[in-house]
Amino acid sequence: SQTIHQWPATLVQPVGSPLSLECTVEGTSNPNLYWYRQAAGRGLQLLFYSVGIGQISSEVPQNLSASRPQDRQFILSSKKLLLSDSGFYLCAWSTGQGNYGYTFGSGTRLTVV
Amino acid sequence: KQEVTQIPAALSVPEGENLVLNCSFTDSAIYNLQWFRQDPGKGLTSLLLIQSSQREQTSGRLNASLDKSSGRSTLYIAASQPGDSATYLCAVWTSGTYKYIFGTGTRLKVLA
Repeated sequence: SQTIHQWPATLVQPVGSPLSLECTVEGTSNPNLYWYRQAAGRGLQLLFYSVGIGQISSEVPQNLSASRPQDRQFILSSKKLLLSDSGFYLCAWSTGQGNYGYTFGSGTRLTVV
Repeated sequence: KQEVTQIPAALSVPEGENLVLNCSFTDSAIYNLQWFRQDPGKGLTSLLLIQSSQREQTSGRLNASLDKSSGRSTLYIAASQPGDSATYLCAVWTSGTYKYIFGTGTRLKVLA
């Protein structure tokens, strides 16, 4: 069966520090991978998605970047965090046409102080 | 551009009531529609997935229907319980795209 792992679960980082969040999927190959952010009391905002290794689509211009160095690994990064980067970050995967829907990871709560 | 709307934004009901959550979308050319549940501070859990060729899906006390032509889906919860309290989100996968578009959710509170 397929599983998705996301870590860390919580993170407190100072303003201006770098960020690296990792997401990995097991039990499938060539998944679509997604990063979402949910600010406090707000809806889900799609940040990046990837349909293959090295293929990254950015939905919203911002202080973050994403990379997909391996088929089942998706990394969200920042060189210098802003206070506005605080939020709940969720990784998700799907098959190519979403035939089986999204499966989400458990999320990372990031607080920038 | 696909837009997904959920009404009501919040709902408070006494335990035992049957209730309906609504989801509407503007582009009827969809692959499927997925309903999720999110507990406070937690990730999203998939409840039901309805393919475009289906009219409804059921899981336990949950039943989701889909009417593509009218751009609507409903999530029916039978005999609601306090444990059903959560935010419910619907998401639509539009044909020719690679992602879901989410509604803003319905925050449900079931009172004991």
